[in-house]
Amino acid sequence: LAKTTQPISMDSYEGQEVNITCSHNNIATNDYITWYQQFPSQGPRFIIQGYKTKVTNEVASLFIPADRKSSTLSLPRVSLSDTAVYYCLVGDMGSGSARQLTFGSGTQLTVLP
Amino acid sequence: GAGVSQSPRYKVAKRGQDVALRCDPISGHVSLFWYQQALGQGPEFLTYFQNEAQLDKSGLPSDRFFAERPEGSVSTLKIQRTQQEDSAVYLCASSSREGAYNEQFFGPGTRLTVL
Repeated sequence: LAKTTQPISMDSYEGQEVNITCSHNNIATNDYITWYQQFPSQGPRFIIQGYKTKVTNEVASLFIPADRKSSTLSLPRVSLSDTAVYYCLVGDMGSGSARQLTFGSGTQLTVLP
Repeated sequence: GAGVSQSPRYKVAKRGQDVALRCDPISGHVSLFWYQQALGQGPEFLTYFQNEAQLDKSGLPSDRFFAERPEGSVSTLKIQRTQQEDSAVYLCASSSREGAYNEQFFGPGTRLTVL
């Protein structure tokens, strides 16, 4: 499984754009990059997933450079309710491959008023 | 609701007691996962079911941990002779597809405290 490295914590202010970068130098050809969000006392929630270039949904954007050795989760105009832990995960989506998600410690994002 | 539910939400057990944690996945989801999350850490994989078949139990920390999903829907995680180090949040997740990296839907977890 590809190992990921992301900052332990980040602070931001309401209304700002937040970018969280994740390094995954040994990502494999079939691996996808997935981000989950976890609020206190809740289970993680899927945010976004991508393979290359850029993916955007109603919550976030995911930027993946051509070499795919890193990725950046972008949260536009954060609010206090975006305070959470964000996990970057890398793995193969195929049914015959990974049977477990490997979470790290994640990035604690704190949004300040 | 249509999400994953877990019960109980909180469980306090005396050391040595047996506990059973229940997970109701989203209806029709073939894949079901159990994770253990210690305070301040990310979730750690325990076991995986595809329908009623337990295909991976490599994350179960000891033979005191046992999981089942007899009819391919509801799952139960049982911990025998609980120890203090078993104190954690136990998360259940389900997915409509095989393969862990397809979107998983997590329940709120069961917080187990062993005294």
